[in-house]
Amino acid sequence: EVHLLESGGGLVQPGGSLRLSCAASGFTFSSYALAWVRQAPGKGLEWVSVISGTGYTTYYADSVKGRFTVSRDNSKNTLYLQMSSLRAEDTAIYYCAKIIWGSFRYNDYWGQGTLVTVSS
Amino acid sequence: EIVLTQSPGTLSLSPGERATLSCRASQSVSSSYLAWYQQKPGQAPRLLIYGASSRATGIPDRFSGSASGTDFTLIISRLEPEDFAVYYCQQYGTSPFTFGPGTKVDIK
Repeated sequence: EVHLLESGGGLVQPGGSLRLSCAASGFTFSSYALAWVRQAPGKGLEWVSVISGTGYTTYYADSVKGRFTVSRDNSKNTLYLQMSSLRAEDTAIYYCAKIIWGSFRYNDYWGQGTLVTVSS
Repeated sequence: EIVLTQSPGTLSLSPGERATLSCRASQSVSSSYLAWYQQKPGQAPRLLIYGASSRATGIPDRFSGSASGTDFTLIISRLEPEDFAVYYCQQYGTSPFTFGPGTKVDIK
């Protein structure tokens, strides 16, 4: 059974940094691209980043480019999101998702999310 | 950037009624890269439809999707109580891999 568990969220001051983790199990981790998607309180889903199975290819939303870095450790089955220069508008639940990336592309499994609050 | 526009913003219906949700892309998107997700309060999103029209594993056949050019449609043929939720479309054709703003289906 596929399982994704995010951690690392919490309260951080504006301008601060935070690293989120997503521990995965139930599938061959290195074979799949992964995504980060966030949801501000009471708002819709916002795509944040994608990383390929090897980690060599990454994509970012313009809203986080230059501030967030996605990475993965395939030996630990863990996905990361390093967030810096955090702003109030980065406050959201951050979800990781496993991606099917082939003839079709979609997020087939999602974690339960971790809440990041940026506030002084 | 491909902008996905979902309509209506809110759909108020009764159980047993048919729901028709629209997702329109600002540019061409391969139907292979268009998915629909359902999200209930306090829960993570769940995959419903991929490839514009293929139901995900375990999704009841009252859910169906279709595509016509840049217009994508999700139909719930007969609403069950558990279907009242927010529905999002997402495109994975071109980065940024955008979501639509969502359609809330609530109980009339």
